[in-house]
Amino acid sequence: GDSVTQMEGPVTLSEEAFLTINCTYTATGYPSLFWYVQYPGEGLQLLLKATKADDKGSNKGFEATYRKETTSFHLEKGSVQVSDSAVYFCALSDYAAGNKLTFGGGTRVLVKP
Amino acid sequence: NAGVTQTPKFRILKIGQSMTLQCTQDMNHNYMYWYRQDPGMGLKLIYYSVGAGITDKGEVPNGYNVSRSTTEDFPLRLELAAPSQTSVYFCASRASTTGDGSPLHFGNGTRLTVT
Repeated sequence: GDSVTQMEGPVTLSEEAFLTINCTYTATGYPSLFWYVQYPGEGLQLLLKATKADDKGSNKGFEATYRKETTSFHLEKGSVQVSDSAVYFCALSDYAAGNKLTFGGGTRVLVKP
Repeated sequence: NAGVTQTPKFRILKIGQSMTLQCTQDMNHNYMYWYRQDPGMGLKLIYYSVGAGITDKGEVPNGYNVSRSTTEDFPLRLELAAPSQTSVYFCASRASTTGDGSPLHFGNGTRLTVT
């Protein structure tokens, strides 16, 4: 079955540091890939997405590139802010597997001033 | 535009009690989902629905039931609450029925404690 593996946290950074969160996947078909962010006490919000190989999703300074050859979708941000402190989830949607979203375990990121 | 609305936000149940978690969306989405999120863990799919009158089990359906009588509403029922059902429950909806990258829209969650 489909699965998503992302690096475990927590990840603690200083403001303006570079952030990378690794995400790899296995899927039956050709999935769409997503990053969601969850701020404390809230539901998940879509951060960015990519629907085919070599697509780059970007939003709020975050980027991720759909790498089919390495089955990866790593999230990056060049200069984090305290407001980026949240839990980040990698996910895939695979039509061949019934179009359900499969989530990774989440990575907590804490940015200190 | 309210999006996905869940009620209640918090609830404490005693073992064996029953309750219904409400979820409604005003985006005319066909697909709706219920997830649970345990502390420090990812999301596990409980049930989902592809349209009014159609529901299907996810990864962890035991102890839960759902119904989908309208496009807008997708309530989750716990019949005999157990401590293992202590979790945060998220309802979500989605526009597309194909894998074309349409995202999920989440509610703000219901935090349930069973003691």
